[in-house]
Amino acid sequence: EVQLVESGGGLVHSGGSLRLSCGASGFAFSSYTMAWVRQAPGKGLEWVSNIRLSLSSINYADSVKGRFTISRDNAENSLFLQMDSLRAEDTAVYYCARVRYYYESGATKQYYYYLDVWGKGTTVTVSS
Amino acid sequence: AIQMTQSPSSLSASVGDRVIITCRASQDIRNDLSWYQQKPGKAPKFLIYAASSLQDGVPSRFSASGSGTDFTLTISSLEPEDFATYYCLQDFSYPWTFGQGTEVEIK
Repeated sequence: EVQLVESGGGLVHSGGSLRLSCGASGFAFSSYTMAWVRQAPGKGLEWVSNIRLSLSSINYADSVKGRFTISRDNAENSLFLQMDSLRAEDTAVYYCARVRYYYESGATKQYYYYLDVWGKGTTVTVSS
Repeated sequence: AIQMTQSPSSLSASVGDRVIITCRASQDIRNDLSWYQQKPGKAPKFLIYAASSLQDGVPSRFSASGSGTDFTLTISSLEPEDFATYYCLQDFSYPWTFGQGTEVEIK
């Protein structure tokens, strides 16, 4: 069974740090781009970061750039999110998600990306 | 960043109703769009990719269309399990951005 399990959430003071982990099973983790998505209480989804398989391509939302660092350990089938300089507005459920793509080989030769598998999330609360 | 605007923000509907949710991008995103369903307290569930392609296992009452800046998700005949919040996501360019969500409530 394809599965993602997040851990590492908790309560932290503003300005503090936290490291989230996501363990993957049931698929070839090293072959997939992975992502973090968060959801503040009562709010919508916010994409946070992606990391490609080769680590050569990493992207962040502007709201976390310079404070959060995504990484992965393909040998351990694990994805991480190091969160520093935390703020109250970082309070959210953090989801780990697998990025899959479909390649259209026709005239457009286009890649379509989507988040096809999600973990159940881990809750981060930043107290001010 | 590309802004994604969904409408309506919420709607009330009955079982059997046809429901249409729209998602508008602030610039042309071709058809680089996916749709997700989320129920309270649960992780999102992936439904549709490339603006109109249904994920395996998603009921055929779900359909989607659009390209450029305007997209729609249609539920042809609402079932009890379809009451949820729906989100669109653009992957045309970074940062990826979600719409704010459309909550489908029971009338």
